[in-house]
Amino acid sequence: AQSVSQHNHHVILSEAASLELGCNYSYGGTVNLFWYVQYPGQHLQLLLKYFSGDPLVKGIKGFEAEFIKSKFSFNLRKPSVQWSDTAEYFCAVRRSGSARQLTFGSGTQLTVLP
Amino acid sequence: GAGVSQSPSNKVTEKGKDVELRCDPISGHTALYWYRQSLGQGLEFLIYFQGNSAPDKSGLPSDRFSAERTGGSVSTLTIQRTQQEDSAVYLCASSGRTGQGGYGTEAFFGQGTRLTVV
Repeated sequence: AQSVSQHNHHVILSEAASLELGCNYSYGGTVNLFWYVQYPGQHLQLLLKYFSGDPLVKGIKGFEAEFIKSKFSFNLRKPSVQWSDTAEYFCAVRRSGSARQLTFGSGTQLTVLP
Repeated sequence: GAGVSQSPSNKVTEKGKDVELRCDPISGHTALYWYRQSLGQGLEFLIYFQGNSAPDKSGLPSDRFSAERTGGSVSTLTIQRTQQEDSAVYLCASSGRTGQGGYGTEAFFGQGTRLTVV
């Protein structure tokens, strides 16, 4: 079974600091990769996704992620965070090429101090 | 509808009672997922429906949990004889097929149902 690991449970940064959240997955085949964000009191929203092509993916609100196949990683980055980025971030993996369940990591709570 | 709709948004029930949670996916989406999110925990997969295929029930935590999807659209998650540890937010998501015949766009989530068992 596939699994997803997010090693950072809680990250606290000051505004304008750079962000990198780790995500590793266990499945060795071809995958679709996602980062979702959950702002306080809101539902999960897609930040960005990788299906194929350029391994550097750009998403909304200045976020990007890089798929490194050899490391089974899909880390999320943002060069300069804002207070409004305070939220919980979830990495998710789905095997591509077939209809499969979507597996989520345990999430990383990001707190950005003004 | 425009998005995934879940009802009720909040449900308080007494221990031992049965509850039904409803999910109305985005029109035309063939895949539907149920997840459970407990305080401080990630998203725990419960069950997955894809078209007319047999559902993937591998995430259901006990036989008190069941789900059905009628007509390939609306889904109902039923929890029988609720326990306090069932208290959580239950999330539903749906996804569709890509134009090239692939097996899925990203999943779109509803607002969830907050279940409290007292």
